[in-house]
Amino acid sequence: DAGITQSPRHKVTETGTPVTLRCHQTENHRYMYWYRQDPGHGLRLIHYSYGVKDTDKGEVSDGYSVSRSKTEDFLLTLESATSSQTSVYFCAISEDLGGARQPQHFGDGTRLSIL
Amino acid sequence: SQQGEEDPQALSIQEGENATMNCSYKTSINNLQWYRQNSGRGLVHLILIRSNEREKHSGRLRVTLDTSKKSSSLLITASRAADTASYFCATGANNAGNMLTFGGGTRLMVKP
Repeated sequence: DAGITQSPRHKVTETGTPVTLRCHQTENHRYMYWYRQDPGHGLRLIHYSYGVKDTDKGEVSDGYSVSRSKTEDFLLTLESATSSQTSVYFCAISEDLGGARQPQHFGDGTRLSIL
Repeated sequence: SQQGEEDPQALSIQEGENATMNCSYKTSINNLQWYRQNSGRGLVHLILIRSNEREKHSGRLRVTLDTSKKSSSLLITASRAADTASYFCATGANNAGNMLTFGGGTRLMVKP
């Protein structure tokens, strides 16, 4: 398995609180992604990074921000969590040859519940 | 919106039978990928087929791609109970840069 660790694995929090999810990789891959998975919607891309300090928006980026200060870490922040952000969040990584043109390797997800 | 749409949404078969899942997509693609997801786990990459390829094999997996029909199929031969999982197709569209777009998945149950 690719060395991807997501933390925390489970979190319950209240509406309006800030939440930060962490993805850590040991593969030195250039590309890192954050997805959310909801019933009926499959996986949807939130943000991705193509290098340190280089990030871009995905399909469902509103309400989320990201940061990548080191190759190995990609953080996803919900500045003020809402109930619609209750979901399972997955981090993925891929190698240097173009993120959508190579396989992606996934972490085991963070289950986030916002009450 | 989902670029890929899997069909059927759910499939139940007996061990030893073959399972076929289909994926349709809307725009021009560079490649199409299939992933498996076991309950409570992340997605695992199975196979990638490029737009200039028509068929690819990996063990008991066979993937076909028909770019004229904008469709792909995943065949699992001689299925096992351990194949029980959800299967997703994902497309790398030519106009989508670094983004893969995933379909909603097919839930496969293989009964022993």
